[in-house]
Amino acid sequence: ELKVEQNPLFLSMQEEKNYTIYCNYSTTSDRLYWYRQDPGKSLESLFVLLSNGAVKQEGRLMASLDTKARLSTLHITAAVHDLSATYFCAVDIPGTYKYIFGTGTRLKVLA
Amino acid sequence: KAGVTQTPRYLIKTRGQQVTLSCSPISGHRSVSWYQQTPGQGLQFLFEYFSETQRNKGNFPGRFSGRQFSNSRSEMNVSTLELGDSALYLCASSLADRLEAFFGQGTRLTVV
Repeated sequence: ELKVEQNPLFLSMQEEKNYTIYCNYSTTSDRLYWYRQDPGKSLESLFVLLSNGAVKQEGRLMASLDTKARLSTLHITAAVHDLSATYFCAVDIPGTYKYIFGTGTRLKVLA
Repeated sequence: KAGVTQTPRYLIKTRGQQVTLSCSPISGHRSVSWYQQTPGQGLQFLFEYFSETQRNKGNFPGRFSGRQFSNSRSEMNVSTLELGDSALYLCASSLADRLEAFFGQGTRLTVV
């Protein structure tokens, strides 16, 4: 059974610090997605990673994909309070027409 | 460009009742997926539809069903509601290549 594991599950960090969220998955896929969810809200698409070695950056967030290691990372640079949210990675399994979501990482940036 | 629209936003139902949730995808998107989100189980796949055909279904009991209409709008139905069905139900739409999924605001279902 496919598993998508994120760590850490909870992350409390100071403003201006850097940190990385990890997303490991257990089967072959070259499509990986990162989403952000604010409390009580829907999922906001952050990054779409479609090939091995893909790297994308938006503001203080940067995502990368290593399909050989079955690993994606979401790196946060110089965190600010507005980044406080829950972050999900999701893997698209070819031919199944569904995403498998990770457990989510609840990020809290402390002022 | 309008996003994915889900109605209603909130629902309170009694055990044993049934409920129908609606999802209108982004114009031009023919793939519609449904997910259930709960604190305990996280985000779980329910169904995916494309051009009125269900292409995959998640591991949910037969009480959960869905359909898609010719205009790509989709509905999901849950019969004989149980307390454990309380969740946020999210709908996502994609183009045919499914390279990116856009989620609606969700329907918050509470079963009492």
